[in-house]
Amino acid sequence: QQQVKQSPQSLIVQKGGISIINCAYENTAFDYFPWYQQFPGKGPALLIAIRPDVSEKKEGRFTISFNKSAKQFSLHIMDSQPGDSATYFCAASISGNTGKLIFGQGTTLQVKP
Amino acid sequence: EAGVAQSPRYKIIEKRQSVAFWCNPISGHATLYWYQQILGQGPKLLIQFQNNGVVDDSQLPKDRFSAERLKGVDSTLKIQPAKLEDSAVYLCASTLLSDTQYFGPGTRLTVL
Repeated sequence: QQQVKQSPQSLIVQKGGISIINCAYENTAFDYFPWYQQFPGKGPALLIAIRPDVSEKKEGRFTISFNKSAKQFSLHIMDSQPGDSATYFCAASISGNTGKLIFGQGTTLQVKP
Repeated sequence: EAGVAQSPRYKIIEKRQSVAFWCNPISGHATLYWYQQILGQGPKLLIQFQNNGVVDDSQLPKDRFSAERLKGVDSTLKIQPAKLEDSAVYLCASTLLSDTQYFGPGTRLTVL
């Protein structure tokens, strides 16, 4: 019940295309859903995050869509660029608890020029 | 503002040897986390400190892993003795009061 399942494992998109990564969770107590971006040799960096009181959050080219009833959330990268090539992790946690993040398995995105 | 610092960046050891990793969190961040990231997987929490007290160490293999944060600032994570399956990147993260965790660059450990 503590798992966060992420798909696809890898994704290849042409420059200018839309990249979509999906995550699903079981624990309904989760109330904070961040997406982290990780470049090779670097630690994960927070990209965007959402709480269940909204269904969508947009920051620049990055959008999180959240479906509370389906217990799913997804990351959309519009106008994907070669510089977006990285590994993306979804995560979930319970606010006010220990703040422990449960991460998905990761998606390696390659944006071809 | 300086980020989370970790050292060393890389370490290669033989199995059964011991190794230690160091983390210096962002100044003022009370909460510090150690994660283990095995190749091709997401980070997995090993231990969480709130100031110098342990909040969660439920997934720390206590027979071989230990961690401390004596003065509520820097932290060290030790493995003794190391096993082949300990090969991973060890990430340190810190946070102030919000949910946002800031990660260091990690230490890549290879156990031969």
